[in-house]
Amino acid sequence: AQKITQTQPGMFVQEKEAVTLDCTYDTSDPSYGLFWYKQPSSGEMIFLIYQGSYDQQNATEGRYSLNFQKARKSANLVISASQLGDSAMYFCAMREFSGGSNYKLTFGKGTLLTVNP
Amino acid sequence: GAVVSQHPSWVICKSGTSVKIECRSLDFQATTMFWYRQFPKQSLMLMATSNEGSKATYEQGVEKDKFLINHASLTLSTLTVTSAHPEDSSFYICSAGSKGPGTHFGPGTRLLVL
Repeated sequence: AQKITQTQPGMFVQEKEAVTLDCTYDTSDPSYGLFWYKQPSSGEMIFLIYQGSYDQQNATEGRYSLNFQKARKSANLVISASQLGDSAMYFCAMREFSGGSNYKLTFGKGTLLTVNP
Repeated sequence: GAVVSQHPSWVICKSGTSVKIECRSLDFQATTMFWYRQFPKQSLMLMATSNEGSKATYEQGVEKDKFLINHASLTLSTLTVTSAHPEDSSFYICSAGSKGPGTHFGPGTRLLVL
């Protein structure tokens, strides 16, 4: 079974508008972390935002916010005021803390975001 | 912030040759590093976990004799693709953990086997 599911292979958004990228996860580990990474065409993985399973509030980092709904096991990324430079592949990932996974990440298949001028 | 480097960033080689890729944590010590492979328009797939001072742990389906991993120090892990073939052409990227939940990725290495 897939641990991270991103159901949107591609998304389009107009510049300056907000966009939500979906991510659902599956784990029985009570302690886990959820990450979003941006991968532009250069290939580098750029860390955007992190949400811990015990965090009470949704994470925010500038224009990025994570809509964490624990009961639904979803961790959607919201990008506000989209910019042309936001066009990239976006990956949701999970780290399970129990059992000594030690920074091992499991990735979703990604969503290709295109920002239109 | 924590920085991970990879070398080389690009490599083109002939079929049958071996290629070594280095992954370094520049400003922190990493007892564990991870090697991923990414084919075009696909996600990152974990190949192996590199453990300092011990044998690497390979994911199911990854040939340990083909992808040799050495983690000789707390700041360096190497991946050697032995007897590379065109199907090994891919984007290889490493990551390392530091204090806190973050995982830091190297910039990646694009391998093209002719």
